[in-house]
Amino acid sequence: EIVMTQSPATLSVSPGERATLSCRASQSIGSHLAWYQQKPGQPPRLLMYVTSIRATGIPARFSGSGSGTEFTLTISSLQSEDFAVYYCQQYNKWPFTFGGGTKVEIK
Amino acid sequence: EVQLVESGGGLVQPGGSLRLSCAASGFTFSSFWMGWVRQAPGKGLEWVANINRDGSEMRYVDSVMGRFTISRDNAENSLFLQVNSLRVEDTAVYYCARDDREWGTDWSQGFDYWGQGTLVTVSS
Repeated sequence: EIVMTQSPATLSVSPGERATLSCRASQSIGSHLAWYQQKPGQPPRLLMYVTSIRATGIPARFSGSGSGTEFTLTISSLQSEDFAVYYCQQYNKWPFTFGGGTKVEIK
Repeated sequence: EVQLVESGGGLVQPGGSLRLSCAASGFTFSSFWMGWVRQAPGKGLEWVANINRDGSEMRYVDSVMGRFTISRDNAENSLFLQVNSLRVEDTAVYYCARDDREWGTDWSQGFDYWGQGTLVTVSS
C-alpha cells in the first residue's frame, strides 16, 4: 500500500501568519491527492482535490501544490477558524490511504 | 442539500456483528461511488471500503477483508456496512462519505461529503 507521511505533526502559527503543511507519498501518485480539514467533534471537510483544486466554498487563502511524491498545502494568512487537523489522502491506488495528520495550533 | 446520516453503531463484544447504515439525500445516490472511513478515538482517518455506483465493485482495506461487507440499495438511497468478527481494534467512529468522480475518466476526486459518523465500540 502507499504510505502517506505528513509533517510536521504539530504546527504552531500565529493568526495572520502563513502555514505550510507537507505530505509525502511512498511512491508516485501523480496528482491524485486530496486534503481535508477536521475540527474537534466534526467530520472531515474536503479542502482540495487533484492536488490543487479548491473544493466548493473553500477560501482562496488555501492552496495546494506538488506532484509525484511531494505535496504541500499552504494557508496564506491563518484565520481563527483554520486551527484544526489537516489530512492528506491519496486515491491513485487501492487501498486509499491517509496521512497521519498535521495539527495546526495557535502560537 | 446533500445529507448523509449514519446509524447502527453501538457497543458489541469481540467477535460480534453490526450492520451500519447510511441514509443519503439531496443528490442522485445511484450516480456516485460511496465509501466508509473510520477514525479510532484520538487517532487519524482510515479508509475502510468503497462501492461503485451499481454495487458491482467493492474495495476494502486489507485489515477488514473477509470480515466487513459494503453494499448499497439504490432504490432506498442507502449505503450499508456489515461488520462481522469484530475486534477491539475496530473501535472507531465510522463515517459514510461520497466519493466524487471525474466525468469521463472516473478517477476519484476525494470524499466531498461526509456524514456525522456512528460510533462502534468493541469491548468485553
